[in-house]
Amino acid sequence: GAVVSQHPSWVICKSGTSVKIECRSLDFQATTMFWYRQFPKQSLMLMATSNEGSKATYEQGVEKDKFLINHASLTLSTLTVTSAHPEDSSFYICSARGERDSYNEQFFGPGTRLTVL
Amino acid sequence: RKEVEQDPGPFNVPEGATVAFNCTYSNSASQSFFWYRQDCRKEPKLLMSVYSSGNEDGRFTAQLNRASQYISLLIRDSKLSDSATYLCVVNIHSSASKIIFGSGTRLSIRP
Repeated sequence: GAVVSQHPSWVICKSGTSVKIECRSLDFQATTMFWYRQFPKQSLMLMATSNEGSKATYEQGVEKDKFLINHASLTLSTLTVTSAHPEDSSFYICSARGERDSYNEQFFGPGTRLTVL
Repeated sequence: RKEVEQDPGPFNVPEGATVAFNCTYSNSASQSFFWYRQDCRKEPKLLMSVYSSGNEDGRFTAQLNRASQYISLLIRDSKLSDSATYLCVVNIHSSASKIIFGSGTRLSIRP
């Protein structure tokens, strides 16, 4: 299957700082990328959907000014957690989908574990 | 009501047993369905897509019942390596395509 990378794989930061997470599709062009958050023993919760060159669509309850998403190219999307607080500590996973056929499989990155002290 | 519901388990079965999971979805605009597997602290990986006619991949069989809006996954001759959380995933095609994950069913295979 296609390969999606995330960087960093884990990060520990102080409360109030901002953290940027990168998601890259390595061997295909991702027209759509998705950002998920997963708390322990819970399922993945979709945070936002980003299409290359346009603004991200955020799910209800997700603050767009806190979770900044940029999908500047067909192979890169970034999620910036601004002014992070301990309750933002979670496992953040991106996924990417190629082509414009929305039936296509999503390919997941390995995730980024964020711990805010 | 959640859009995609699964029994969280855990299911604890002996090696070699057959185990089945069900998943129900509420949105009739749901068009495509998947089972993903997630190991502890790892990303989900696609196990199999679910087709209307049902489909089989080795020891795994997936079925879809659109009338009752549920999906099932059957694992035969379970192996220790099957221990994981199984996520039911529904792709809703309405004004915008949306992927919804179930909360997952934990499976533990014992020797």
